[in-house]
Amino acid sequence: EIVLTQSPGTLSLSPGERATLSCRASQSVSSSYLAWYQQKPGQAPRLLIYGASSRATGIPDRFSGSGSGTDFTLTISRLEPEDFAVYYCQQYGSSQTFGPGTKVDIK
Amino acid sequence: EVQLVQSGAEVKKPGESLKISCKGSGYSFTNYWIGWVRQMPGKGLEWMGIIYPGDSDTRYSPSFQGQVTISADKSISTAYLQWSSLQASDTAMFYCARLGDGETPIPYYYFYPMDVWGQGTTVTVSS
Repeated sequence: EIVLTQSPGTLSLSPGERATLSCRASQSVSSSYLAWYQQKPGQAPRLLIYGASSRATGIPDRFSGSGSGTDFTLTISRLEPEDFAVYYCQQYGSSQTFGPGTKVDIK
Repeated sequence: EVQLVQSGAEVKKPGESLKISCKGSGYSFTNYWIGWVRQMPGKGLEWMGIIYPGDSDTRYSPSFQGQVTISADKSISTAYLQWSSLQASDTAMFYCARLGDGETPIPYYYFYPMDVWGQGTTVTVSS
């Protein structure tokens, strides 16, 4: 089973700042089958990025994904108030597993 | 509108059985895998397994194999997650989600993210 590790556990930033979230896999993720989700309190997760770098329908372009192999990054170029949430990475190339999440909170 | 609507919150006692549901609409239910995800209170997301409603082919996470049963009734566009004997440790929020990426899926191919989610079903197991 591929194990995903996310860092940092919590990221404290101000609106307008840039957020960089990391996801590392215990083995290579085939075909860059790596996704990112956003979850706000009391809500279901929402797909942001799939295929490591493709934005899902309706996702603003301030969200971008990059990486391949075992190292992936989600970048939020300028944080909006509604972006403070928990972010999960998921690999779906070998069964499916989620990372433990990164909480982005207001500094 | 593509949506998944889950059944309502459940409160059960240890040892009881339970079956929760997830009804799809607005798309061809039989052509997309449906997955189930557990979220224990205050914790992260855990992938439980998936089912292809077209022929009920099912895959489970090793962590959940034998602990739950995933099924589907394609005639009513509904997927299910069931327990035969609940434990207090089954207390959690459960989400269903469609596997897709916004494009027409390749039949039987399950290397997709979860693009549409249900609203979640809270299961509380307490004596």
